[in-house]
Amino acid sequence: SSELTQDPAVSVALGQTVRITCQGASLRYYYASWYQQKPGQAPILLMYAKNSRPSGIPDRFSGSSSGDTASLTITGAQAEDEADYYCNCRDNSGNPNWVFGGGTRLTVL
Amino acid sequence: QVHLVQSGSELKKPGASVKVSCKASGYIFTSYAMNWVRQAPGQGLEWIGWINTKTGNPTYAQDFRGRFVFSLDTSVSTAYLQISSLEAGDTAVYYCARPLSATGYDLIYWGQGTLVTVSP
Repeated sequence: SSELTQDPAVSVALGQTVRITCQGASLRYYYASWYQQKPGQAPILLMYAKNSRPSGIPDRFSGSSSGDTASLTITGAQAEDEADYYCNCRDNSGNPNWVFGGGTRLTVL
Repeated sequence: QVHLVQSGSELKKPGASVKVSCKASGYIFTSYAMNWVRQAPGQGLEWIGWINTKTGNPTYAQDFRGRFVFSLDTSVSTAYLQISSLEAGDTAVYYCARPLSATGYDLIYWGQGTLVTVSP
């Protein structure tokens, strides 16, 4: 079982805004990282730290956090954003252990 | 340019062992940790653990202690994941991944994945 909880599936109309959430106790203390994974491909890091994007990631992706919940927002979703999205963070053990959320499948309608 | 290139697919029988390699290039190998992540067919990502490439010290997730072992050959900038006593449930794609920071969980570079199939 995962210590980070994500909704299994979310849908968004083309061009609209969607928020994907990740909930867990460790998120009160550590930032989440976010990943996008398309079928048959390795994951891609989308967001890290407070709200940082690696080079090449479009600025329609943004991150935020409040309490025990981190969010990935896609503003103006594109057809190519249809994918699985995962959060990860440190766990609650106090040791340098990481954990992934269960993932959210995003459908762009 | 950073690259992580993993070894090819493996088909193993239950009870056998497998060793997956991950060859790094484009950066100083011992400056960054190496993580391993598992993805069973149709399932999500599971963090297996990471290895400190400077000291060789491994950290394993609770569910992966015992049969999963990390190792290094720093002379060829390669990390290894060995899985012993393979079970059907180990059938998955295994990824190596390097963090953006030295030992963080912000995994920016990923190998292409190695499919390990365990079947009688």
